[in-house]
Amino acid sequence: EAGVTQSPTHLIKTRGQQATLRCSPISGHTSVYWYQQALGLGLQFLLWYDEGEERNRGNFPPRFSGRQFPNYSSELNVNALELEDSALYLCASPPERISSTDTQYFGPGTRLTVL
Amino acid sequence: EDQVTQSPEALRLQEGESSSLNCSYTVSGLRGLFWYRQDPGKGPEFLFTLYSAGEEKEKERLKATLTKKESFLHITAPKPEDSATYLCAASGGSYIPTFGRGTSLIVHP
Repeated sequence: EAGVTQSPTHLIKTRGQQATLRCSPISGHTSVYWYQQALGLGLQFLLWYDEGEERNRGNFPPRFSGRQFPNYSSELNVNALELEDSALYLCASPPERISSTDTQYFGPGTRLTVL
Repeated sequence: EDQVTQSPEALRLQEGESSSLNCSYTVSGLRGLFWYRQDPGKGPEFLFTLYSAGEEKEKERLKATLTKKESFLHITAPKPEDSATYLCAASGGSYIPTFGRGTSLIVHP
């Protein structure tokens, strides 16, 4: 089965613009997690979607938002971009449709650069 | 608040020189302790999940162990291709894994 996919691979924006990042979970799986990995920092949890609903949110400002579509793919939107939003954005999905663990498989990431 | 601390931050080894990476965690109601390998600019690659103290898992030159407060990733006779950043994460009652900052491993030929 296909793994977690993300697009685009790279995204360059200027300060104040909006960025849209996309993720498709493992085929048929309903959960999508978003993380930010800034240079020198660990993975920071952003958002968790499951069955089309936001289940949990990390400590990020409201300009970070997203949604999950009926086919379980997801979008992360970052409004009013700031320089410090430059990071690798990662999407993750559990390995099984109904997972009894919190193990997550990651996509390749989207490198967002804000100039 | 869940916390995960990894040490050392960076580790340089000669090929064949075995060593261990440490992951200390403070998590209420541990649901799983995870190890990942991450190459530069790429997404983390899943290695192991450990569930309870005393559990061990192996994959090629890697062996992960778990106690009630720490996990170790032992690397036996490493090769240059083992060079990467190794991430540890722990999940508790919040169901959201907390990640450490990683250990950057460089193995010299």
